[in-house]
Amino acid sequence: EVQLVESGGGLVQPGGSLRLSCAVSGFTFSRNWMTWVRQAPGKGLEWVANIKQDGRETYYLDSVKGRFTISRDNAKNSLYLQMNSLRAEDTAVYYCARDGVSGATVFDYWGQGTLVTVSS
Amino acid sequence: EIVMTQSPATLSVSPGERATLSCRAGQSVSSNLAWYQQKPGQAPRLLIYGASTRATNIPARFSGSGSGTEFTLTISSLQSEDFAVYYCQQYNVWPPSITFGQGTRLEI
Repeated sequence: EVQLVESGGGLVQPGGSLRLSCAVSGFTFSRNWMTWVRQAPGKGLEWVANIKQDGRETYYLDSVKGRFTISRDNAKNSLYLQMNSLRAEDTAVYYCARDGVSGATVFDYWGQGTLVTVSS
Repeated sequence: EIVMTQSPATLSVSPGERATLSCRAGQSVSSNLAWYQQKPGQAPRLLIYGASTRATNIPARFSGSGSGTEFTLTISSLQSEDFAVYYCQQYNVWPPSITFGQGTRLEI
């Protein structure tokens, strides 16, 4: 059974940092692109970043470039999102998701999400 | 950034009826279009990709169509479990460019 489990969310002050983790199981992690998608309270979905299988290619939403860093450890079956210089508008549930269809950036498995709240 | 616009924002239908949801892209995305379903408190679920290919274990009552800038998700006979929010998502193969629509709420 494919499972993705996020952790690391919480309350942080503006300008602070958090590191999100996503532990995966049930598939060969090193074979898939992986993605972070967020959802502000009561709002829609927003793609944040994704990373290639070997970690050598990464892409970011413009508003998080230079502040967020996506990374992965294939030996630990884990995906990460380092978030620095956090802003109120970064408040959201953050989901990790598997890019599971060859040749298409679509997300066939998702974690349950972890809530990040940026507030003083 | 490719803007995705979904309509209507809310669609009220009855169980057993047919529902048609629309998604328009600000520029052509070819057939690089997916649909997701999200229920309250849950993660999204992939329904359709490539504009018309059902994902694994998705019932046949869900179908997608369209290409270029105009897309449709049709649910042929609504079941109680289909009442949810639906999002479209475009993806460009290279460079990666991923945007979602704002969602359509399907309600009774």
